[in-house]
Amino acid sequence: QVHLQESGPGLVRPSETLSLTCTVSGGSISPYYWSWIRQSPGKGLEWIGYMYYSGSTERNPSLQGRVTMAVDTSKNLFSLKLISVTAADTAIYYCARHGDYGDSNDLWGPGTLVTVSS
Amino acid sequence: DIVMTQSPASLAVSLGERATINCRSSRTILLTSTNKNFLAWYQQKPGQPPKLLMYWATTRMSGVPDRFSGSGSGTHFTLTISSLQAADVATYYCQQYFAAPYSFGRGTNVEIK
Repeated sequence: QVHLQESGPGLVRPSETLSLTCTVSGGSISPYYWSWIRQSPGKGLEWIGYMYYSGSTERNPSLQGRVTMAVDTSKNLFSLKLISVTAADTAIYYCARHGDYGDSNDLWGPGTLVTVSS
Repeated sequence: DIVMTQSPASLAVSLGERATINCRSSRTILLTSTNKNFLAWYQQKPGQPPKLLMYWATTRMSGVPDRFSGSGSGTHFTLTISSLQAADVATYYCQQYFAAPYSFGRGTNVEIK
């Protein structure tokens, strides 16, 4: 059974870089698409972007080019970097898989809370 | 960008009664060449990630009880719980995956009356 697990610092200082990793266990990262989605009380669920196991990506323009995503097929994981964070980036961050159902997300990690604060 | 509008924001229904959640997209999410609506419904319980219930607007995920049904096409969609059970207390979200940036509705909180 495939599981996803997000990992990374729970606290990030303003103006610094948020870095998260999603490890895929029990299955292969290929040939799927993978998303990052975040959830905050004020903005609900927000799609950050997705990437293909080959490395191609699509990002939400609302994040103004602050997002970088990467995949490491040898380690079966993918990552998210969000630069120049502010308090507005405080949220639960989820990684999720696109299943065989268009780009809906059939498998999610448990989520990790990232707080941006000095 | 496509904006997803859900209503109502919250809903209280008696056990065994019907719950109806509406979702509207700011433009069509129907791909006419395939006749597929690029809409998903998710259920989220406190402390858990969202769970995919429906995709292509009307197709239930494996294991989802048949009391859940999806309908609609184009820009107007509905998730119906035909006979509300205690296990259905949750927040429900619609999502369009027709065009990036993919977007979610603000959610409908379903409670027991």
